[in-house]
Amino acid sequence: GAGVSQSPSNKVTEKGKDVELRCDPISGHTALYWYRQRLGQGLEFLIYFQGNSAPDKSGLPSDRFSAERTGESVSTLTIQRTQQEDSAVYLCASSASSGRAFNEQFFGPGTRLTVL
Amino acid sequence: AQSVTQLGSHVSVSEGALVLLRCNYSSSVPPYLFWYVQYPNQGLQLLLKYTTGATLVKGINGFEAEFKKSETSFHLTKPSAHMSDAAEYFCAVTRIDQTGANNLFFGTGTRLTVIP
Repeated sequence: GAGVSQSPSNKVTEKGKDVELRCDPISGHTALYWYRQRLGQGLEFLIYFQGNSAPDKSGLPSDRFSAERTGESVSTLTIQRTQQEDSAVYLCASSASSGRAFNEQFFGPGTRLTVL
Repeated sequence: AQSVTQLGSHVSVSEGALVLLRCNYSSSVPPYLFWYVQYPNQGLQLLLKYTTGATLVKGINGFEAEFKKSETSFHLTKPSAHMSDAAEYFCAVTRIDQTGANNLFFGTGTRLTVIP
């Protein structure tokens, strides 16, 4: 079946512009995660959605970052008034959720964002 | 709080030689530990994981890792490197919350180069 998909694969924008990044999780996966990978750094957790529960936004770096998810489907990460330090690869992952057992996260290929 | 440290941002080995990628973790609770691999222009792929039970875990492509609580380590090894192993490797740690969700905390990654 299809894996996690993300679009666009690459995005170049000018400083101060808003951008939207899209993630299509694996069908049936109730959990969805956004991570950021800046050059030379590890992946940073940004936000997590689980079903209809309130999202965990503890990793969002500033109020310019927001994300939405409709039900258990597509998620959109929005960055307002982009800054050069927002340049990174943004990765989305999804997983099933079944109590306290480990649920493998499946990652998409990422969106490479470049802010000029 | 959880975190991981990967020693060596770049590792080069000759084809057929031993691969050793180091990872040390910090966790206030029993950790769940992971190694992910990222091939060029591809998404992250789970290589192996330690949750409970046997401390020596085997993953895909001949890789294995050993959880050593006394050393707070989870080093990744492969007896004989292959050209196709060239990639970036990330160590990650998490704990499982009551919903089964798991925010991953990643190291900064180690880029493995295999020399023919």
